[in-house]
Amino acid sequence: EVQLVESGGGLVKPGGSLRLSCAASGFTFSYYSMNWVRQAPGKGLEWVSFIRSSISSIYYADSVKGRFTISRDNAKNSLYLQMNSLRAEDTAVYYCARGSRDGTTYYYYMDVWGKGTTVTVSS
Amino acid sequence: DIQMTQSPSTLSASVGDRVTITCRASQSISNWLAWYQQKPGKAPKLLIYKASSLESGVPSRFSGSGSGTEFTLTISSLQPDDFATYYCQQYNSYPYTFGQGTELEIK
Repeated sequence: EVQLVESGGGLVKPGGSLRLSCAASGFTFSYYSMNWVRQAPGKGLEWVSFIRSSISSIYYADSVKGRFTISRDNAKNSLYLQMNSLRAEDTAVYYCARGSRDGTTYYYYMDVWGKGTTVTVSS
Repeated sequence: DIQMTQSPSTLSASVGDRVTITCRASQSISNWLAWYQQKPGKAPKLLIYKASSLESGVPSRFSGSGSGTEFTLTISSLQPDDFATYYCQQYNSYPYTFGQGTELEIK
């Protein structure tokens, strides 16, 4: 079964740091690009970051650029999000999502999602 | 950044109805558009990719159309399981952006 399982969420004070992990199983992780997407309480979806399978390309939303770092370990089938200088507005459920493409294009849609991990930034 | 605007924000309908949700992009995104369904407390689920391609396992009552800047998601005959929030998302360029969501309610 194709599965993504996030972990590492919790309560952190403003200015603090947290590292999220996403464990992949049921597919060849190294072949796929990956994303982080978040959803603040009662709000819509916000894309956070993307990393290509070969780590050759990485992108961030402006709201997290310079504070968050996406990475992956293909040997461990794992995706990570290092979050520094956290703010109250970073409070959200964080989802990892697999990026798939149609044929050989470089356009990736998100076809498999984890259940999410909750990050709360509060003093 | 490309802005995605969905309409309506809320839609009240009955089982068996045909419903259409519209998504507009602030600039052309070709057909690089996905639709997701989300139920409360659950992760989003991919329904449609490349504007009109049905994801495997998704019922055929869901269909997508459009290209450029205007797109639609149609549910041909609403089922009880379809009451949820729907999001469009462009993946033409970074940053990826989502519409604000359409909440489909039972009338």
